Amino acid sequence: QVQLQESGPGLLKPSETLSLTCTVSGASISSYYWSWIRQPPGKGLEWIGYIYYSESTNYNPSLKSRVTISVDRSQRQFSLKVSSVTAADTAVYYCAGTGEYSSSSFDFWGQGTLVTVSS
Amino acid sequence: QSVLTQPPSASGTPGQRVTISCSGSNSNIGSNTVNWYQQLPGTAPKLLIYSNDERPSGVPDRFSGSKSGTSASLAISGLQSEDEAHYYCATWDDSLNGQGVFGGGTKLIVL
Repeated sequence: QVQLQESGPGLLKPSETLSLTCTVSGASISSYYWSWIRQPPGKGLEWIGYIYYSESTNYNPSLKSRVTISVDRSQRQFSLKVSSVTAADTAVYYCAGTGEYSSSSFDFWGQGTLVTVSS
Repeated sequence: QSVLTQPPSASGTPGQRVTISCSGSNSNIGSNTVNWYQQLPGTAPKLLIYSNDERPSGVPDRFSGSKSGTSASLAISGLQSEDEAHYYCATWDDSLNGQGVFGGGTKLIVL
């Protein structure tokens, strides 16, 4: 059974860098695409980007200049960094995995972690 | 403004069949498979339908998906109170460097 768990600070000040980590258990981190997805309070889902085991990445063009996704295979973790955050980055951040059922669906999800940006 | 268009809400009574639409364009739904997610209140989204019309193990056959051209639909038959949730369609968009795109979500209310 695949399990994903997000971790990281829940409160940031404007202009700081958001850093989150997703720990993977029950699956090989080298066999799937790993994505970050966020959901502002009361709003819909927004795909942030993904990383593949080869460390190739793809980012949402609207966030690309501020986002970095990386993987640490030895720790079975992948990470998200978003620089220069503003209140608009306040959201629940989910990590998700692709590759169990299809090459395009988000098959596994973490429980999500709320990140609030406030001065 | 979401790339994929869904109605903001839908409703039905227990036992009824409801459908939720998802409209896109040639570069997204027209070129890629569609997936559907169910988000129960206060929880993470869960994969409901993948590759247009396939169900992951454990998803009841009351849920079905279809796709035609640049639109897709999710149908729920034998509606139950526990189906009250938000439903999101999603795919990938070839015109946006292959980015993932979601619909704005549909709140299903079981009357």
